[in-house]
Amino acid sequence: KAGVTQTPRYLIKTRGQQVTLSCSPISGHRSVSWYQQTPGQGLQFLFEYFSETQRNKGNFPGRFSGRQFSNSRSEMNVSTLELGDSALYLCASSLAAGSYEQYFGPGTRLTVT
Amino acid sequence: AQSVTQLDSQVPVFEEAPVELRCNYSSSVSVYLFWYVQYPNQGLQLLLKYLSGSTLVKGINGFEAEFNKSQTSFHLRKPSVHISDTAEYFCAVIKTNGQNFVFGPGTRLSVLP
Repeated sequence: KAGVTQTPRYLIKTRGQQVTLSCSPISGHRSVSWYQQTPGQGLQFLFEYFSETQRNKGNFPGRFSGRQFSNSRSEMNVSTLELGDSALYLCASSLAAGSYEQYFGPGTRLTVT
Repeated sequence: AQSVTQLDSQVPVFEEAPVELRCNYSSSVSVYLFWYVQYPNQGLQLLLKYLSGSTLVKGINGFEAEFNKSQTSFHLRKPSVHISDTAEYFCAVIKTNGQNFVFGPGTRLSVLP
């Protein structure tokens, strides 16, 4: 069974631009969570989607948004990029919402210049 | 709210020596406890988890952890480390009624030849 896939793996953007990251969960998994990892703040929860609905949201500004499609694939979008948005963005998939059995993808490394 | 503390940001140890990575947590509700490992340029891989039952939990790659409720700790141990264990290790908690993970800041384990 294929694991969690994240695209692209690496991305360089300029301040003020917007970016969209994609996550394909493990087949059969319906929940997708997003995390931001930075050296200063560590791993922080962004949001969780289940059955195309945002179920839970972390403490991030409204510039960070996401969505989930009917095939459970998820995208997250960051608008008006700031230097501090440079991070590794990790996606995790699970069978059900709120499940502790989460499987992480390799991440997308976003660099904002 | 939950919080996780990993007192050691870096732990250098010689190959074949034992190692203990410390994790303490605080929570007003019941939580499940986890250890994840992150190798360079990769996502998180689950090492082991404590849900209930025996307080000594065995995981992959020869790691084990012991849950101590009175000390609110969940320290990770390995009796003999290998060069390939060099990675970053994250302790995490999640509420038993399900929500998002709260991660510790991580401990960078460096195994020296």
